[in-house]
This record gives sequence, C-alpha cells and structure tokens, in this order.
Amino acid sequence: DTAVSQTPKYLVTQMGNDKSIKCEQNLGHDTMYWYKQDSKKFLKIMFSYNNKELIINETVPNRFSPKSPDKAHLNLHINSLELGDSAVYFCASSQAPPGTGETGELFFGEGSRLTVL
Amino acid sequence: GENVEQHPSTLSVQEGDSAVIKCTYSDSASNYFPWYKQELGKGPQLIIDIRSNVGEKKDQRIAVTLNKTAKHFSLHITETQPEDSAVYFCAAGANSGYALNFGKGTSLLVTP
Repeated sequence: DTAVSQTPKYLVTQMGNDKSIKCEQNLGHDTMYWYKQDSKKFLKIMFSYNNKELIINETVPNRFSPKSPDKAHLNLHINSLELGDSAVYFCASSQAPPGTGETGELFFGEGSRLTVL
Repeated sequence: GENVEQHPSTLSVQEGDSAVIKCTYSDSASNYFPWYKQELGKGPQLIIDIRSNVGEKKDQRIAVTLNKTAKHFSLHITETQPEDSAVYFCAAGANSGYALNFGKGTSLLVTP
C-alpha cells in the first residue's frame, strides 16, 4: 500500500500546454505539500495545505494552481507550461506541521518528472 | 524566511570510513532539524531528526548533533557502506511554520 501516491510518474509535454499532477495520501494526515526539485536536486517548497486550506504559497507563478478537494488529495495544475517548469515535483504529507517533531515527519511520494519541450 | 546552508555538495568516502555533512540555519525560531535520504528515482525519506532541546541523537551508525547557539547541525555516518550512497538533505522547521526548508543536498558516494 503506497502511502503517498502521485500520478503521472513521467510527463512530457510541449511549451504552452496545461497539465495536472495528482496526489493522494492514505495516511490520514492533515497537512500536504508540493515541492519542486530542480536539476541540481534543490528541494523548494511551493505550497502547503492544512485541512484543505492553503497555508503557504511561496513565490510561485500564478500559472501554478493547487487544489485540495479533501484532506487526502492535493492536485497541482500548471497552465501555459514553460521550459523552466521542467523538474521533478514531489507531493508530501505530514500528520502535523513540521516543527512539531515526530508528528511533523514528511512522507514523500515518488515524484512526477515533468519535461517541457 | 528560513535559509538552510548545507556542505559539502558532494562527498566521496571509502567503505568503512565516516562521513560528516554540516548545515547551518538562520531562523532562531527553528526547533526541529530532520535529515532525509533520497535514493535514485525515489522521494526523500526521513532517517533521523533532532529537536532543539537535545544536543545529540544517535541511531545505530547515524548520529546528529545540534549547536543551537551557533545554529549548526551535523549528520555523522560511521562505518559507511555502499548502500549509504544517496543524496542527503538537512532541513529546518519551526512550530509556527507549515513547511520544512531544505538545504541544497549532499551527494554521498561510498566506494567499496
């Protein structure tokens, strides 16, 4: 049983297209995240949701729109894709915010590799 | 926001040697310092963490130390094995925050 699952695992698309990545967690966690990992492996927070409410929205272009239909799902929609959007996108979840220690452990999905041509 | 610096970016050691990765953070409100290991093609996984009220924590071959005054924390891996080869990330979080801020990662290679 996969704890945090993302689909698709690979996505190749043309510039200007719109695409979505889906994420589901079966851990009963309240907090979910999207991280972007660039080619240099740098992991950068994009969004954080707690109980379906947006908590953190880092300096991410508004072409990126997260949607959380319920606590177990956090999807990422990207409009007008650009070359610089090519990266691996990781969904993660935690029982509570990270600063709370044990309950703040992040569980990551296996990533969705997006390639924009 | 929190800024986490991590060094070195790459580290190569012989099997059986020790490996040390160091991080510094900027936000004095940070109180939680986890370390994640990322294997090729996978998501990062927690390997050990430490809270600000503790100076050192050990789990078998892995230990983490924290110097809150200097805002430094380090990961120590002893008796390294080839399967320890991976990218390691330090991170910092605070009770008031809703995300971990990660260092830029250290690519560790353990050669037989």
